[in-house]
Amino acid sequence: RKEVEQDPGPFNVPEGATVAFNCTYSNSASQSFFWYRQDCRKEPKLLMSVYSSGNEDGRFTAQLNRASQYISLLIRDSKLSDSATYLCVIHRSGNTGKLIFGQGTTLQVKP
Amino acid sequence: ETGVTQTPRHLVMGMTNKKSLKCEQHLGHNAMYWYKQSAKKPLELMFVYSLEERVENNSVPSRFSPECPNSSHLFLHLHTLQPEDSALYLCASSQGRGYEQYFGPGTRLTVT
Repeated sequence: RKEVEQDPGPFNVPEGATVAFNCTYSNSASQSFFWYRQDCRKEPKLLMSVYSSGNEDGRFTAQLNRASQYISLLIRDSKLSDSATYLCVIHRSGNTGKLIFGQGTTLQVKP
Repeated sequence: ETGVTQTPRHLVMGMTNKKSLKCEQHLGHNAMYWYKQSAKKPLELMFVYSLEERVENNSVPSRFSPECPNSSHLFLHLHTLQPEDSALYLCASSQGRGYEQYFGPGTRLTVT
């Protein structure tokens, strides 16, 4: 079983839609959580860290559920420019700094 | 220059060549990383350096040799590579181990 699992998609949604991605992780010792965004043939860019209490940044909301070992990303009012691959990333406590990356969920926002 | 820079951005090399990839971070971070990203696969961590000391070598073949002369610079020396080593090689840095990482634009490597 992969340590971080994501539905690869693609998720095809119209502009203005609300879309949500989930990501599950297998190691309960996981300590830090992030969402990264990666455009085609570009480097991953940090979208947001995920805090225990949940956090929001504009149209983006991240949630953490430690009991069920999943994190989620909600995007409201989707824009064409939101089309990208969204990577779920975790860091385990006691690790050397290694981040574990999911394979990513691809989002295509259509006009 | 700001953030994390990498050179060259594209590299084509034969299997008998020796080349080096360079990474520089301008963020004052003290940890640096090399990743490999092949098509349709998740990022694979190759090496971790913290305070210029290698703290992880993720079972990478010896034809990849990292070097970290100071906290701002990281190199990946390449020799006798195989065609399956063709990939996007990404450098990243972070404030410390376990913190969010910031990536450079990557070097797209093709081994012929």
